[in-house]
Amino acid sequence: EAGVAQSPRYKIIEKRQSVAFWCNPISGHATLYWYQQILGQGPKLLIQFQNNGVVDDSQLPKDRFSAERLKGVDSTLKIQPAKLEDSAVYLCASSPSGGQYFGPGTRLTVT
Amino acid sequence: DQQVKQNSPSLSVQEGRISILNCDYTNSMFDYFLWYKKYPAEGPTFLISISSIKDKNEDGRFTVFLNKSAKHLSLHIVPSQPGDSAVYFCAASRFNKFYFGSGTKLNVKP
Repeated sequence: EAGVAQSPRYKIIEKRQSVAFWCNPISGHATLYWYQQILGQGPKLLIQFQNNGVVDDSQLPKDRFSAERLKGVDSTLKIQPAKLEDSAVYLCASSPSGGQYFGPGTRLTVT
Repeated sequence: DQQVKQNSPSLSVQEGRISILNCDYTNSMFDYFLWYKKYPAEGPTFLISISSIKDKNEDGRFTVFLNKSAKHLSLHIVPSQPGDSAVYFCAASRFNKFYFGSGTKLNVKP
């Protein structure tokens, strides 16, 4: 069974630029999560999808972050414009029900 | 407001001995608890879980204990192996929403 795929693995941008991350969950997993993990901290939920509907986006900074999950499969997370404090690893996870399977993450550095 | 806390950022254990990683939570409504293991440059991988209706779950060398009255869970690894060296995150969930601790870096010395 293929795991959760994410791309790119690494991204360096300047502040005020925009960036997009892509996630392909495990086939058949209805729930998809995006997390932000800042160095030295645990993953923090940004947004949770159930199929292509948003279940929880209460911690998503909506003035600069957006996410979509078209057709209930792949998902993209966008940051526009980026700030220095957005430097983190962005993790995507998917779940059939209970538990989660994580992708390798995208390490974003904002300079 | 951090609902799940891991107060020990690091732990060093000799190979063959027991590793005990601790986790505290504040929300008594959590109904599912998990431990994840993370190697550098990889995403967390699921290790073991426990439902709130149980107080112990065992899987090979790994055992998770849940003390609901103390809002505390722990992960025991016996015997510890050098390959267990990683960052361990505990997580708690309710309604499929997960809250993570900040992680404990375990170093198992040969």
